[in-house]
Amino acid sequence: NAGVTQTPKFQVLKTGQSMTLQCAQDMNHNSMYWYRQDPGMGLRLIYYSASEGTTDKGEVPNGYNVSRLNKREFSLRLESAAPSQTSVYFCASSETRTVSGYTFGSGTRLTVV
Amino acid sequence: GESVGLHLPTLSVQEGDNSIINCAYSNSASDYFIWYKQESGKGPQFIIDIRSNMDKRQGQRVTVLLNKTVKHLSLQIAATQPGDSAVYFCAEQDTDKLIFGTGTRLQVFP
Repeated sequence: NAGVTQTPKFQVLKTGQSMTLQCAQDMNHNSMYWYRQDPGMGLRLIYYSASEGTTDKGEVPNGYNVSRLNKREFSLRLESAAPSQTSVYFCASSETRTVSGYTFGSGTRLTVV
Repeated sequence: GESVGLHLPTLSVQEGDNSIINCAYSNSASDYFIWYKQESGKGPQFIIDIRSNMDKRQGQRVTVLLNKTVKHLSLQIAATQPGDSAVYFCAEQDTDKLIFGTGTRLQVFP
């Protein structure tokens, strides 16, 4: 009964380093999403995957790549981290592309120094 | 500490009073709206949703009102409790994804 699991919970990177944020859901949902949350700016969509095998850019995709590894897993990669990517990252999933409400993970707090 | 939520509009209410949180949305073609609650250090949690063919929907202690004419959504919380303290986000459906508002912080004082 885990829902959406994100790893790691916290990470500090140096500018230029790379890393992958992992997300897995156990609800057999088709659609998965990556958001970032910054003070005063709400949640902004980075990338999403409406179904296994597809990915699409959201509002703020620059500097990120994603992989929908299988139906359960959707990873977010930072190839060369920048201080502007310091944020809290949330993964979410939903049953269908018509959206009946997202289930969110607990977030990854990333700091780039 | 929690850095998300700084600089947000804040609503302060006394315990037991009713709270009303407002949200303006942008797309007149949106047909599905959701309210989320986010407690410190956690991901957003679903509270209540409403489709555009309705103007009101009630849950347990919460009511969502939709005014499509002015593209306005509100969340009413009855008998506000300390556990209601959180940041509240509205979201509108844009084809196959949700677009979130910036959020409102609700503070409940005794």
